[in-house]
This record gives sequence, structure tokens and C-alpha cells, in this order.
Amino acid sequence: QSALTQPRSVSGSPGQSVTISCTGTSSDVGDYDYVSWYQQHPGKAPKLMIYDVTKRPSGVPDRFSGSKSGNTGSLTISGLQAEDEADYYCCSYVGYYSLVFGGGTTLTVL
Amino acid sequence: EVQLVETGGGLIQPGGSLRVSCAASGFTVSSHYMGWVRQAPGQGLEWVSVIYAGGHTSYPDSVKGRFTISRDNAKNTLYLQMNSLRAEDTAVYYCATNYESSGYYSFDYWGQGTLVTVSS
Repeated sequence: QSALTQPRSVSGSPGQSVTISCTGTSSDVGDYDYVSWYQQHPGKAPKLMIYDVTKRPSGVPDRFSGSKSGNTGSLTISGLQAEDEADYYCCSYVGYYSLVFGGGTTLTVL
Repeated sequence: EVQLVETGGGLIQPGGSLRVSCAASGFTVSSHYMGWVRQAPGQGLEWVSVIYAGGHTSYPDSVKGRFTISRDNAKNTLYLQMNSLRAEDTAVYYCATNYESSGYYSFDYWGQGTLVTVSS
């Protein structure tokens, strides 16, 4: 199972919106509504931001939203804040009890 | 309060074996979807294994046949037994669980990680 494809980096200014894409295939992202997104600050453990494509865990600001179209999942962060600067990873269920992560995207807040 | 604490990492020679542990508190390991995710130095996240509440386990091809996930219900602890270790297994190993979110396929609580270094 190959890793999901994410852009290496994205950037935005405070207050703006950014979208990070996560492209898979019809056998993973396109076949299951089990895309999740994780935020990771340097030296820290990952934090779940979105699960099941669109759901937000308790405590995650509603500035974070998820969606999916075809074989591509997306994470949108609106009203960018300095503390949003981090690495973001998508993850998808791929069947046969297995998961696959994306390569990760570094978000820079300008 | 849900907590996951990994231990057991260290320096191991290629071809060797190592078992890392994840002590859980605040919930029952046997009742939740749990897994291991690793991160090589400067690299991204890689899924390593999962164990379902019912006991089913799964692994990616990169570790299948070499790694085994298990749990000790009495000790409320998750384990990852790693055999035939290779240099490319060098990584921080995170233990994670799905406690509050939907039942499977995502992890909403993570440990702090334990570093495994495979080198001669």
C-alpha cells in the first residue's frame, strides 16, 4: 500500500484560509469514509484534528474542517493563527483492517 | 484521565529483538482499538500495527512476519514485539488508541513515544 499524496508545504497569513489535500485511490480514500487528519508540532506526539472525513473531536476548534471528493480528502483551516503552524498528516482506512498515512504537509503561517 | 506511557526503547543491533510496552490508565486496553505508529528521524508517520477490541490484528507489509502486537489485560498494557530488526526500523514508536471518537480507524489519544535505534 503506497502512502497517500500530500503537498510538501503550504502557507498562509494570519486570518486567511488554507486547504491541504490528501490524494489516494479508489481502493482507499475513494472507497471508505474513514479519512483522518493529525497535527504535529515539533517534538510532540500527533493530535487528532478530524476523523471519519468530517468529524471533529471534542476540543478541536471549528476553524478546522474536513471534506472528501472522489479519491481526495481535504483539511481546511480557516482564520489561520500562529499556533496552527505545524506538520499535518492524513490517514485513511484501506480495507483488510489496515491503514495508510500521507507523507505529511508543513504549514507555515507567514 | 486517559494516559499512555511507552517504555522499552533503546539501541539494538541489526537482526536483534526488542519489545516495547505501552502502559494504559484511565480506560481498559481490551475494550478499545489500539495501535502503534512510528516516525523515523525527520520523516513522516507510518502505521505499524493495530489490534481490535475483539483481538484481530493487522500489519503493513514492511513489518508483517517480524512484528507482533499483543496486550496483557491484567496489566492493562499493550506490547509490540519486534524481531529481525533492520536499520530502517529506527524510529520513535508511538502507542495510540481510539477512546472517545468513532470506534475504529483513527487515534485520539497518543503516548509520548519511545525511541528505537537499530545500529551496530
